[in-house]
Amino acid sequence: ETGVTQTPRHLVMGMTNKKSLKCEQHLGHNAMYWYKQSAKKPLELMFVYNFKEQTENNSVPSRFSPECPNSSHLFLHLHTLQPEDSALYLCASSPDGSSGANVLTFGAGSRLTVL
Amino acid sequence: GQNIDQPTEMTATEGAIVQINCTYQTSGFNGLFWYQQHAGEAPTFLSYNVLDGLEEKGRFSSFLSRSKGYSYLLLKELQMKDSASYLCAVRDRDYKLSFGAGTTVTVRA
Repeated sequence: ETGVTQTPRHLVMGMTNKKSLKCEQHLGHNAMYWYKQSAKKPLELMFVYNFKEQTENNSVPSRFSPECPNSSHLFLHLHTLQPEDSALYLCASSPDGSSGANVLTFGAGSRLTVL
Repeated sequence: GQNIDQPTEMTATEGAIVQINCTYQTSGFNGLFWYQQHAGEAPTFLSYNVLDGLEEKGRFSSFLSRSKGYSYLLLKELQMKDSASYLCAVRDRDYKLSFGAGTTVTVRA
């Protein structure tokens, strides 16, 4: 399998549930990202990992907890979410995290609905 | 923060040309990207501009003017499959990539 794969594609959870989103890339990239995409709004950068180290946390609430065990895998652990957290969560990867021409390759996203 | 503006929606006829404008105000500049996103799918890379001028890639071209903080994506010979959202994104001096809200293009027969 090639590219960036995200699972699950769709997730419905209650506000007291704990769930995780998974992202896997087969491109040999060293940087991975989580973005939040809400309707009619710009993509919001949440977290950046470069060589497994977190290099950016864009003031994301602690109910979102990222984990990057290696350069190929990225998780987003979710707990006690709010209905306004319902959105499409996109994972992306790039060769590295600090060059101008760095092109991001995105996964198809995980559509999250919080009831 | 960064400010990236692009029109919300555009409609055009199959075979026509559409130009999607993007204006930006960022702290420093390290390149501008255009991505295409079909409904329910991943955004895919279309073009990258870092120097002023026009970059042509088949039916798609992208233009950049750094002094004006302005770019456009030109789609020629429109096809039905070009109906999608087009995202403008700018990398600032810290290499942080910020996106506009996207322009939904609808191609009609």
